[in-house]
Amino acid sequence: SQTIHQWPATLVQPVGSPLSLECTVEGTSNPNLYWYRQAAGRGLQLLFYSVGIGQISSEVPQNLSASRPQDRQFILSSKKLLLSDSGFYLCAWRPQETGELFFGEGSRLTVL
Amino acid sequence: AQSVAQPEDQVNVAEGNPLTVKCTYSVSGNPYLFWYVQYPNRGLQFLLKYITGDNLVKGSYGFEAEFNKSQTSFHLKKPSALVSDSALYFCAVRALSSGGSYIPTFGRGTSLIVHP
Repeated sequence: SQTIHQWPATLVQPVGSPLSLECTVEGTSNPNLYWYRQAAGRGLQLLFYSVGIGQISSEVPQNLSASRPQDRQFILSSKKLLLSDSGFYLCAWRPQETGELFFGEGSRLTVL
Repeated sequence: AQSVAQPEDQVNVAEGNPLTVKCTYSVSGNPYLFWYVQYPNRGLQFLLKYITGDNLVKGSYGFEAEFNKSQTSFHLKKPSALVSDSALYFCAVRALSSGGSYIPTFGRGTSLIVHP
């Protein structure tokens, strides 16, 4: 069966420090991958999505970047964190042939 | 523009009573519609989807949703609510992005509170 792993689960970082959140999917190949941010426990904002290795689409301009170095690995990064980057980050994958998403357990980032 | 709306921030219901969480959508073409549930500090879990076929879709944990094309709605329902159903519920639609790919677009979420 397919599983998705996301880490770290929680992170407290000072303003100006770098960030790296990692997401991997097991048990499938060529998934569509997504990074969402959820602020204040409510709406989801799509940050990045990827349909293949090295293919990244950004939905909103921001202080973050994403990379997909391997088929089932999706990384969210920042060179210098801002206070406004705090939030709950969710990675998700979607099989190519269906529409529903499968989410990781999330990474809670607090920037101080 | 393609979008999905959840008009209620919060729904309160007594345990054992039926519940409805509302969702309306706006898309071009045939909609792919989804419901997800999120428990505190967890990722979202897929509940059910409508792509085509029967307008009444059954999903996990006894939930179902009714697709209504004329009202562009996809309301989530359950005949008898449980306290453990208390969570945040998201409606989503598959929408065409500016880049030409189909991406999921989520509503703002509705907090369901089931009282004992």
